[in-house]
Amino acid sequence: QVQLQESGPGLVKPSQTLSLTCTVSGGSISSGGYYWSWIRQHPGKGLEWIGYIYYSGSTYYNPSLKSRVTISVDTSKNQFSLKLSSVTAADTAVYYCAREPIAVAGYFDYWGQGTLVTVSS
Amino acid sequence: SYVLTQPPSVSVAPGQTARITCGGNNIGSKSVHWYQQKPGQAPVLVVYDDSDRPSGIPERFSGSNSGNTATLTISRVEAGDEADYYCQVWDSSSDHPYVVFGGGTKLTVL
Repeated sequence: QVQLQESGPGLVKPSQTLSLTCTVSGGSISSGGYYWSWIRQHPGKGLEWIGYIYYSGSTYYNPSLKSRVTISVDTSKNQFSLKLSSVTAADTAVYYCAREPIAVAGYFDYWGQGTLVTVSS
Repeated sequence: SYVLTQPPSVSVAPGQTARITCGGNNIGSKSVHWYQQKPGQAPVLVVYDDSDRPSGIPERFSGSNSGNTATLTISRVEAGDEADYYCQVWDSSSDHPYVVFGGGTKLTVL
């Protein structure tokens, strides 16, 4: 059974960079066949896809966030990470990592439990 | 950008059938996926590719997709089905495809 677990600071100051890591267990990122995504949910609101990475390092981002987002992968640790720069209060959200089987029009079959990140001074 | 429209809320009595819609321009040409999210928990995939169910999801959950509307149907609704439900597609209509979620529907079991 694949499990994903987010980790990182729960509080980030405005204008700084939000950094989160997702640790995958029960399966290897390097095995291929999946994209590894970040998704966020503003408090009391809907879901917003941030972007994904393939084990090779190829990335694809939501056009609305692309200028501030970097997703990277560390296959030796079976982890992938999110960096979101120049954060504001509008970036306060629960951040989820998720797995997406590679397909023509993919879905997210496994999710982490989510981690709340608050942007505040 | 592609927009998915869901009703904010749907209410149904236990044992009845709940239908949650997801509207989008020619959504019938896309693969639609549905998630269930209970308070304080991560979303769970309940239907993918319009009408397929992941293992472990009860047969009471089914989906359909045609024209401009996709529908998640929950038969014989139980109290434990009370949750927020989100539809999702990949919008490939532009040069930069991306994931789109609907705004979510809160299912209340009366």
